Amino acid sequence: AQTVTQSQPEMSVQEAETVTLSCTYDTSESDYYLFWYKQPPSRQMILVIRQEAYKQQNATENRFSVNFQKAAKSFSLKISDSQLGDAAMYFCAYGGSQGNLIFGKGTKLSVKP
Amino acid sequence: EPEVTQTPSHQVTQMGQEVILRCVPISNHLYFYWYRQILGQKVEFLVSFYNNEISEKSEIFDDQFSVERPDGSNFTLKIRSTKLEDSAMYFCASSELRSGANVLTFGAGSRLTVL
Repeated sequence: AQTVTQSQPEMSVQEAETVTLSCTYDTSESDYYLFWYKQPPSRQMILVIRQEAYKQQNATENRFSVNFQKAAKSFSLKISDSQLGDAAMYFCAYGGSQGNLIFGKGTKLSVKP
Repeated sequence: EPEVTQTPSHQVTQMGQEVILRCVPISNHLYFYWYRQILGQKVEFLVSFYNNEISEKSEIFDDQFSVERPDGSNFTLKIRSTKLEDSAMYFCASSELRSGANVLTFGAGSRLTVL
């Protein structure tokens, strides 16, 4: 069975600085997708970024980028130029052949002004 | 931008009562999901639904839960006899594809409080 581990329950970053959130996963599948979702206090799940496992190039969406290390099964999220609105829970998720997503426990990110 | 709509946003019920949570998925999506998030914990998969039947379900999705697509637009989650531990945020999601390539679009969630 696939698992997703987020080892940082909480992280803090100064506004305008860069922060990296860690995620590791375990799977025996070769074709899969990885996601980062953001959950602000409103509790809605918002897709931040997606990575296809067969692509070596790391995905980037504006200030958000990932460091995908397939051999190490690591999928970290880097947020550059952090903004107050980035404060939220961040969930790493695995999407494999079954279709449903498997989530990690989340990392609570605080942004200090 | 298309969105998944969930109602009610918050429901309070007495233990043992039946609850129906409603979702309107994105119109051209074919796969529907329910997830649950107990306060402070991770988001957990409950069930996926395709072509008017359950395609997968987790261990959480026991006999007290059921899902239905009563018409062309709504997708419902029914909890027959609620327990205190059913208190959680319930998220509906939909996607175009079934494989891991799909991007799930989530609704804003329905908060269920069981007293």
